[in-house]
Amino acid sequence: QVQLQESGPGLVKPSETLSLTCAVSGYSLSNAYFWGWIRQPPGKGLEWIGSIYHSGSTYYNPSLKSRVSISVDTSKNQFSLRLSSVTAADTAVYYCARDRVDYYSSGSSGDFDYWGQGTLVTVSS
Amino acid sequence: SSELTQDPAVSVALGQTVRITCQGDSLRNYYASWYQQRAGQAPVLVIYGKNIRPSGIPDRFSGSSSGNTASLTITGAQAEDEADYYCNSRDSSGNHRVFGGGTKLTVL
Repeated sequence: QVQLQESGPGLVKPSETLSLTCAVSGYSLSNAYFWGWIRQPPGKGLEWIGSIYHSGSTYYNPSLKSRVSISVDTSKNQFSLRLSSVTAADTAVYYCARDRVDYYSSGSSGDFDYWGQGTLVTVSS
Repeated sequence: SSELTQDPAVSVALGQTVRITCQGDSLRNYYASWYQQRAGQAPVLVIYGKNIRPSGIPDRFSGSSSGNTASLTITGAQAEDEADYYCNSRDSSGNHRVFGGGTKLTVL
């Protein structure tokens, strides 16, 4: 059974950097698939932030690309999100998920089949 | 703005059939995946690919696609189906993922 668990500070000050980690169990990141971050502001819809492959190849949401960095640590079987220069608009529940798309194939539609429980990050001074 | 468009809210009588739609140009090239999100919970994948249900998803959930529109159909809606539903796919460039704005389903 694949399980994902987000961890990190629940409160971040404006202009600082948000950092979260997603620990994966029941599946090796080195095997296959991309791994993604998705967020949901309170009362609003889902927004894809970006995804990473075990090789380090990344794809980011263009609207966040200048502030986002996703990295992977296969030795710890986890991947991480950093979002810089945060504002109140970045307050959201942040989810990590397994991303089953093959970005290298035009015929792959993909899906997010396993999700973490989510962690609320509030941006406030 | 989202490249995938969903109706904000839909209602259905208990036991009846409801269709939730998702429109976008990228859906001409890619299948949509569908997620159910109950209040206070993480999203759950309910349909992916042409019309595939993950293990544990009831067979009253089905998916279809035509042109630039993907649909999620619930045949015989149950009270526990009341939730927000989101579609997702690759965008027109193929390099990014995009979610629809979500549809709130009320079971009357």
